[in-house]
Amino acid sequence: QKEVEQDPGPLSVPEGAIVSLNCTYSNSAFQYFMWYRQYSRKGPELLMYTYSSGNKEDGRFTAQVDKSSKYISLFIRDSQPSDSATYLCAMSAIGGNYGQNFVFGPGTRLSVLP
Amino acid sequence: DTEVTQTPKHLVMGMTNKKSLKCEQHMGHRAMYWYKQKAKKPPELMFVYSYEKLSINESVPSRFSPECPNSSLLNLHLHALQPEDSALYLCASSPRFQRGGIEDTQYFGPGTRLTVL
Repeated sequence: QKEVEQDPGPLSVPEGAIVSLNCTYSNSAFQYFMWYRQYSRKGPELLMYTYSSGNKEDGRFTAQVDKSSKYISLFIRDSQPSDSATYLCAMSAIGGNYGQNFVFGPGTRLSVLP
Repeated sequence: DTEVTQTPKHLVMGMTNKKSLKCEQHMGHRAMYWYKQKAKKPPELMFVYSYEKLSINESVPSRFSPECPNSSLLNLHLHALQPEDSALYLCASSPRFQRGGIEDTQYFGPGTRLTVL
């Protein structure tokens, strides 16, 4: 089992749809969760980060963490064609070697169709 | 300012060339990273510098040689590369390394797209 799993996509939705992007993880030491957006041929851009279980909202984006289920989600409301990108979840723990400390998910490619 | 800059944006080199990639940040971060990213894959960690000292080398071939001249700069020296080394090379920085939590948050540069002929 991979340490962090993520639906690979590609995911295609019509403009205005609500998008749900998800990651599951196996290491309960992960305590800090991030979402990055990466446009084609560009570097990843930090979108949101959160510590605790529950929801965190920033504009059209909501990050949700359920530590008991080891499951995190990113919701995008009123999706726009400009949201078309690859979304990477990442998570961090305290201690351990790097491989356990900060891990990226494999990424989900999202296309929002006009 | 959460900007990490990388130069050049694009690089084409032959297998016998020597070239360098450069990365700079002025956020006061004390950890800097090199990643390699192939198409449709997540970034793969190559090197980590913490307080200008090499902390992690993920068994990267010696044809890649990192250097951290000061806390703001990170270089990657390239020599005798192979065509399979063609990829997007990303630099990132974070406030600290292996502290857990917000101090591990990495900020990425735009990358250098490297093509080895």
